[in-house]
Amino acid sequence: DAGVIQSPRHEVTEMGQEVTLRCKPISGHNSLFWYRQTMMRGLELLIYFNNNVPIDDSGMPEDRFSAKMPNASFSTLKIQPSEPRDSAVYFCASTLGNTQYFGPGTRLTVL
Amino acid sequence: DQQVKQNSPSLSVQEGRISILNCDYTNSMFDYFLWYKKYPAEGPTFLISISSIKDKNEDGRFTVFLNKSAKHLSLHIVPSQPGDSAVYFCAPPSAGSYQLTFGKGTKLSVIP
Repeated sequence: DAGVIQSPRHEVTEMGQEVTLRCKPISGHNSLFWYRQTMMRGLELLIYFNNNVPIDDSGMPEDRFSAKMPNASFSTLKIQPSEPRDSAVYFCASTLGNTQYFGPGTRLTVL
Repeated sequence: DQQVKQNSPSLSVQEGRISILNCDYTNSMFDYFLWYKKYPAEGPTFLISISSIKDKNEDGRFTVFLNKSAKHLSLHIVPSQPGDSAVYFCAPPSAGSYQLTFGKGTKLSVIP
């Protein structure tokens, strides 16, 4: 298995632009998680899905952030409009049980 | 409110010696604990876990100890190797879900 796949690996954009991050979970995993990592706050859970349904989105910072999981093999995290303080590494993880498997992350820089 | 605390942001250890990474938690509902290891520019990878019904779990050079009464975990790496240099996170799942609560991590540097 290729593991969790995220794209793009790096994204540089200007403030105000829309950003879409993509994730393909490990086949057969039924839960998917989006995290954000910053120096100040460490790894924060943004949202997680179980069987494609959003279960807990309390970590989503504000309405500019949205996430979808249209099917079991694909999820997106969208930021619109983006702001410089959104600059971080965004990780996607999937799991079938207690152990989460992480993707390599997307490093987002908002200028 | 930090439910999981890793109070040492960094640790330096000589190659061949023991590395001890600590984790304290406040939520007595946590019943399973995972340690993740993270290299720069990569996602965290699962390292070792322990259930609350045990007080020790060993996997090769890695041993995790759990003291439930003190709400304290420690990860021991012996002997430490330069390839162990990474950030280590303590991450218990919330009861009844697979949602992990991550500590801030401890950056381990193993000096050759």
